[in-house]
Amino acid sequence: ETGVTQTPRHLVMGMTNKKSLKCEQHLGHNAMYWYKQSAKKPLELMFVYSLEERVENNSVPSRFSPECPNSSHLFLHLHTLQPEDSALYLCASSQDEQGDTEAFFGQGTRLTVV
Amino acid sequence: GEDVEQSLFLSVREGDSSVINCTYTDSSSTYLYWYKQEPGAGLQLLTYIFSNMDMKQDQRLTVLLNKKDKHLSLRIADTQTGDSAIYFCAVPTYNQGGKLIFGQGTELSVKP
Repeated sequence: ETGVTQTPRHLVMGMTNKKSLKCEQHLGHNAMYWYKQSAKKPLELMFVYSLEERVENNSVPSRFSPECPNSSHLFLHLHTLQPEDSALYLCASSQDEQGDTEAFFGQGTRLTVV
Repeated sequence: GEDVEQSLFLSVREGDSSVINCTYTDSSSTYLYWYKQEPGAGLQLLTYIFSNMDMKQDQRLTVLLNKKDKHLSLRIADTQTGDSAIYFCAVPTYNQGGKLIFGQGTELSVKP
């Protein structure tokens, strides 16, 4: 248990569906992240939020839409996804967005797009 | 941008030592990390080394850092079947605000 909780753990959705992934941390961290983990590829940083402000968006398609309503919660809204979007989506948090603080990861949501 | 590279697979026998290697192209002068991902789980910090150190030992784990060659390695002594997992190195970058860049992960398989 790392203190970062993601729901759901598994999600199967059709290409026309709309769904949301949820991440929650009560570690008092100021930065939260979404990563995409695909087989045999480096972890891809998708979005970074610091103090509820988006500070980075790494050229992610608009079918992925993040939301950070407060410092403890982070959502990833999904719509009209493609089969190649199937992956493990990991949420992480850290004290701040600099690389000298430990990142704590959730267990991930395994997304399958059919 | 920053590039962090690892080999994808490593297979060892139980009781042997495992050495997982990582090379990177750039780094800010702070910490470099090894994360471990067990099946069905997220990543967890395993160990780290501060960039002004060459070596750090933590029980069965030894981290070696060669800053000149931009090479980081993780040695696991007396490898056990429970060490089977994916191991990621992570490096903060100069030109991306110090954010962590992860390698693609090395899958360690330990055979009895």
